Amino acid sequence: QQQVKQSPQSLIVQKGGISIINCAYENTAFDYFPWYQQFPGKGPALLIAIRPDVSEKKEGRFTISFNKSAKQFSLHIMDSQPGDSATYFCAATLSRASGSRLTFGEGTQLTVNP
Amino acid sequence: DVKVTQSSRYLVKRTGEKVFLECVQDMDHENMFWYRQDPGLGLRLIYFSYDVKMKEKGDIPEGYSVSREKKERFSLILESASTNQTSMYLCASSPGTEYVQYFGPGTRLLVL
Repeated sequence: QQQVKQSPQSLIVQKGGISIINCAYENTAFDYFPWYQQFPGKGPALLIAIRPDVSEKKEGRFTISFNKSAKQFSLHIMDSQPGDSATYFCAATLSRASGSRLTFGEGTQLTVNP
Repeated sequence: DVKVTQSSRYLVKRTGEKVFLECVQDMDHENMFWYRQDPGLGLRLIYFSYDVKMKEKGDIPEGYSVSREKKERFSLILESASTNQTSMYLCASSPGTEYVQYFGPGTRLLVL
């Protein structure tokens, strides 16, 4: 049962352009929404995260936009660079005292052409 | 820096073999996870553990088992490997009170 849907599966952007990756979730109890970035040959690493009490979070060139009523959130990469070429995963979690399990989207392979 | 290490980067096994994938973390994290990563399917949770000797099934536990005898080590076991278990396996850990998961580099398993 896939609870987080991610699109597009792949994305090609020119250097300096804006990359946009979208995710939709089903479980309204989710309360933490991270994005992970994975370079070839490496494990995923946390990039940026947001909680549903804010509509936007920005860290450098990376911004998460969150729409609670639509149950959607998206990652925007401004001024995309070739070094941003990676696979991006959105995720969601239901926090619990005994630990958090993440439900991941399908992933988006981003290629930024020079 | 948090370090999560996995015993092998690449592994080739035969159908029916018993396969052990080992994961070690050095940050005294309570929680440990095993995922498999397949193109177009994202990361799917196989098993996780929030304490020594504790385990919980994830979304796709069939054909797998796990062992956590020590806090720092979490093993994934394929009792009888099958070709549909060819995949990238990722281990992760997290502190008990935080939601960030730290991933190892992965083991790419090929079952022939």
